[in-house]
Amino acid sequence: QITLRESGPTLVKPTQTLTLTCSFSGFSLTSSGVAVGWIRQPPGKGLEWFALIYGTDDKRYSASLKTRLTITKDTSRSQVVLTMTNMDPVDTGTYFCAHRTGGGFDYWGQGILVTVSS
Amino acid sequence: QTVVTQEPSLTVSPGGTVTLTCASSTGAVTSDLYPNWFQQKPGQAPRALIYSTDNKHSWTPARFSGSLRGGKAALTLSGVQPEDEAEYFCLLYYGGSQLWVFGGGTKLTVL
Repeated sequence: QITLRESGPTLVKPTQTLTLTCSFSGFSLTSSGVAVGWIRQPPGKGLEWFALIYGTDDKRYSASLKTRLTITKDTSRSQVVLTMTNMDPVDTGTYFCAHRTGGGFDYWGQGILVTVSS
Repeated sequence: QTVVTQEPSLTVSPGGTVTLTCASSTGAVTSDLYPNWFQQKPGQAPRALIYSTDNKHSWTPARFSGSLRGGKAALTLSGVQPEDEAEYFCLLYYGGSQLWVFGGGTKLTVL
């Protein structure tokens, strides 16, 4: 059974760096066909994909956020870590991590609501 | 900037059939964009319904089906149930830039 869970701070100040962890079980992030992605959703708005890491350690970032993002994996801990620098109130929203294979983004975490406010 | 467009809202009667569509600003949606569809209810994480145009997950109810229609990806719900009231998002994969883009979502009301 595949599960994912996001963890990290729920409140950050503007200009600070956000670090989120996605802890997963039920799969191994070691092959090219498996990946973990990050998707966010501002309150009352739609979904935005912005980062992904493959089991090969290949990484993808959305063009709009690329300069602020770093995604890494710790295979031994079954975790994916995302850092986003220079946080702004517009970055407020729920952040989800999701498992991806040839079957698309099939399993999702419950999400973590991050508020950016001074 | 690539934009993926969905109907903002649709209404359907219980037992009826409704089709949601997903268009790409780059041109026709084809299977090469690997359309995915998700259902999201308030306060919940999205739930995957369809991948690679028309493939269902093991948990996807039979009344949901995916297809390509008129240059768009389409999600059809046949025999709509009250519990299908939700927001539906499509997701397209742009292999050239290796990026994924969500549509803005369709709020489906069952009335």
